Amino acid sequence: DVVMTQSPLSLPVTLGQPASISCRSSQSLEYSDGNTYLNWFQQRPGQSPRRLIYKVSNRDFGVPDRFSGSGSGTDFTLKITRVEAEDVGVYYCMLRTREGWTFGPGTKVEIK
Amino acid sequence: EVQLVESGGGLIKPGGSLRLSCAASGFTFSNVWMSWVRQAPGKGLEWVGRIRSKSDGGPTDYAAPVKGRFTISRDDSKNTLYLQMNSLKTEDTAVYYCTTTIAYTSVWHNYWGQGTLVTVSS
Repeated sequence: DVVMTQSPLSLPVTLGQPASISCRSSQSLEYSDGNTYLNWFQQRPGQSPRRLIYKVSNRDFGVPDRFSGSGSGTDFTLKITRVEAEDVGVYYCMLRTREGWTFGPGTKVEIK
Repeated sequence: EVQLVESGGGLIKPGGSLRLSCAASGFTFSNVWMSWVRQAPGKGLEWVGRIRSKSDGGPTDYAAPVKGRFTISRDDSKNTLYLQMNSLKTEDTAVYYCTTTIAYTSVWHNYWGQGTLVTVSS
């Protein structure tokens, strides 16, 4: 089974400063279509999850361009260029496999 | 507007059964795959399982912790997704979300419901 890890698990950031979250999968899973279905979700306090990034680096509709995703193979990164107050919450990476979905443990982003 | 509305949660004793529903609107329900994801109190997200559209066919997939106890089904005539949960355990206590991804003009949009809380306790 695929295991997803994230670091850090807690990320205090200063408003206006950048933030970066790392996600690693225990195995590389590239589909025959050439895609790696690695997604990033944001969950603000008290809200349902919201997808931010799909297939490693594609921003969902309405997601601010300060969010970006990158990576390949087993190593992926979510970056926020300038953190805003509304970015507080928990961020999860998720890998879609043929068997189902596997989420990372989550990274809690808070303002210093 | 796409809407997913879960219902059916509540307090249930260990060993009991419960059926959750997810009412969908704003899109062609029969064409899409649907999934359930849960979140234990104060914990992270955990995938429960998924059901394909009838046209795609194939098995319904489940996460290991629920396989054999939970059953996902759908009624396309009612635009409703179900999660039948049997032999419930205290560790099944969680908010249960239904979620789907829909293509609009070649762009895939992801949607989640507001969740329904299931508490398994004696």
